[in-house]
Amino acid sequence: TQLLEQSPQFLSIQEGENLTVYCNSSSVFSSLQWYRQEPGEGPVLLVTVVTGGEVKKLKRLTFQFGDARKDSSLHITAAQPGDTGLYLCAGAGRSYNQGGKLIFGQGTELSVKP
Amino acid sequence: DTGVSQDPRHKITKRGQNVTFRCDPISEHNRLYWYRQTLGQGPEFLTYFQNEAQLEKSRLLSDRFSAERPKGSFSTLEIQRTEQGDSAMYLCASSHYQGEQYFGPGTRLTVT
Repeated sequence: TQLLEQSPQFLSIQEGENLTVYCNSSSVFSSLQWYRQEPGEGPVLLVTVVTGGEVKKLKRLTFQFGDARKDSSLHITAAQPGDTGLYLCAGAGRSYNQGGKLIFGQGTELSVKP
Repeated sequence: DTGVSQDPRHKITKRGQNVTFRCDPISEHNRLYWYRQTLGQGPEFLTYFQNEAQLEKSRLLSDRFSAERPKGSFSTLEIQRTEQGDSAMYLCASSHYQGEQYFGPGTRLTVT
């Protein structure tokens, strides 16, 4: 069974601080997605990483896929109140038989205070 | 708006009643997924379709749950004889074949 462990589960910081969220597994994934979810809404796709060691930047957000494609991190620089939300990592399995279903971590609830 | 849509957004039902949810995917997407999310957790996979064929079902999908995608476009998820443990957010997502999944806004089910 593939599992994704996210840490920390909760994070409360002041505006302007930096933070990193981690997503770890003992399994290899063909790709990994990061989503952001607001209360009462569906997850919104932020980025997909596919290649081991890949780094992608989205404004103040930096995403990295581990060399072995088992882990990923999300780093936010100079966090703003608008970054508040639930951040989810989700891995897609390797084999064709897994059909592309996503395995989600339990999420990191981020609160950025002004 | 050409995103994934779900209806209804909220449903309150009494235990033992049947409920049905609808999902309309992004029009050119041939894959459609259903997930369930409980408070404080990430979404859990329930089932997925490629066109009209249901290709995989999770063990979470008990025999009270049934999903259809009759013409390869919209999909319905029915829960029969609802239980309080069925209370959750039901999420639908769509994608091109093994492409990135885009989620709808979800249907929040409350079973009283």
